[in-house]
Amino acid sequence: AQTVTQSQPEMSVQEAETVTLSCTYDTSESDYYLFWYKQPPSRQMILVIRQEAYKQQNATENRFSVNFQKAAKSFSLKISDSQLGDAAMYFCAYNFRNQFYFGTGTSLTVIP
Amino acid sequence: DAGITQSPRYKITETGRQVTLMCHQTWSHSYMFWYRQDLGHGLRLIYYSAAADITDKGEVPDGYVVSRSKTENFPLTLESATRSQTSVYFCASMGRAYEQYFGPGTRLTVT
Repeated sequence: AQTVTQSQPEMSVQEAETVTLSCTYDTSESDYYLFWYKQPPSRQMILVIRQEAYKQQNATENRFSVNFQKAAKSFSLKISDSQLGDAAMYFCAYNFRNQFYFGTGTSLTVIP
Repeated sequence: DAGITQSPRYKITETGRQVTLMCHQTWSHSYMFWYRQDLGHGLRLIYYSAAADITDKGEVPDGYVVSRSKTENFPLTLESATRSQTSVYFCASMGRAYEQYFGPGTRLTVT
């Protein structure tokens, strides 16, 4: 069974600094998709970034980037120049054959 | 409005009652999903649907029933609600790049 592990239940970062959220997953497949979702206090789930496993290049979306290490089954999210609006729960997700598996989330606090 | 909507947003029901959570999307996405979110568990898949009249179980399907007669609608029914089904329920659809778009969630309390 596929599992997704986020080992950091809580993280904090100073405003304007950089923070990295960790995610590991377990799979025997070679072609799959990985995602980071953000859930602010409004509860709405918002897609932050996606990565196709067959692409070696790490995905980037503005201040958000990933470090995808396929062999290590690691998919970390880096947030640069952190802003107060980045405070939220962040979920890592794995998709294979249209079934999604989510980690338990990391709560990010941004300190002014 | 375009997007994915859920109703009701909040629901309180009693143990043993039947309750249906509604989900509607305007993108004509083939795949739709139901999740429950509980503290410490993240999101867990209840059921998903690949198209109208095609549904399949996810990780935690017991106590739930789904149907999908139209592409845009994917209702979730709790046939006899139990306290353990108190949760936040999210509906989602999947876009062409395999990303999911989520509804705003329904907070269900079973007393």
